[in-house]
Amino acid sequence: NAGVTQTPKFQVLKTGQSMTLQCAQDMNHEYMSWYRQDPGMGLRLIHYSVGAGITDQGEVPNGYNVSRSTTEDFPLRLLSAAPSQTSVYFCASSRGVSGANVLTFGAGSRLTVL
Amino acid sequence: DQQVKQNSPSLSVQEGRISILNCDYTNSMFDYFLWYKKYPAEGPTFLISISSIKDKNEDGRFTVFLNKSAKHLSLHIVPSQPGDSAVYFCAASADSGGGADGLTFGKGTHLIIQP
Repeated sequence: NAGVTQTPKFQVLKTGQSMTLQCAQDMNHEYMSWYRQDPGMGLRLIHYSVGAGITDQGEVPNGYNVSRSTTEDFPLRLLSAAPSQTSVYFCASSRGVSGANVLTFGAGSRLTVL
Repeated sequence: DQQVKQNSPSLSVQEGRISILNCDYTNSMFDYFLWYKKYPAEGPTFLISISSIKDKNEDGRFTVFLNKSAKHLSLHIVPSQPGDSAVYFCAASADSGGGADGLTFGKGTHLIIQP
């Protein structure tokens, strides 16, 4: 019963470097999303996907790319990291796409950009 | 423009007493509300939810009240226990609109239960 698995848990990058945060779920959930949590800002939606091959932007998409080639995986790519992307990132999934569906979150990935 | 507001960044309550966490929203399209609980170094976990067709939902020690006219909801925890110490996020969704653009979260309230 792994649920939502995020890797890595911690990462330090230099400005301009690229990296991918991995997210995998084993619950056959249709909907997957990425949030970032910053102090005093709550959780803000970056990108989401309602199924394989379908992605869309959330509230704060700039600087991030996503793809959904399989139901299970939803990686988040930072093409050129900036200090403003220092944050804790959470991947989440749910069975359905409506807001009434409960999100299952991963444990988070803490990213520091120097 | 903050659509979901949790105006108390932190709240300290004695063990055994009632904890009341408040949340206000501005978007009248929101019709589904959820509370998530978060411990340090963990992801948020679902606690309780309420649809706009109800004004109260109860689950054990946790009760959520919704006042649509005031655009206000509250989470009551009775009695409060040390394990309830966590950050609580209020979230809202315009479910009738599909909800696929995700939930809108408040900034969170850090609840501290004092022994």
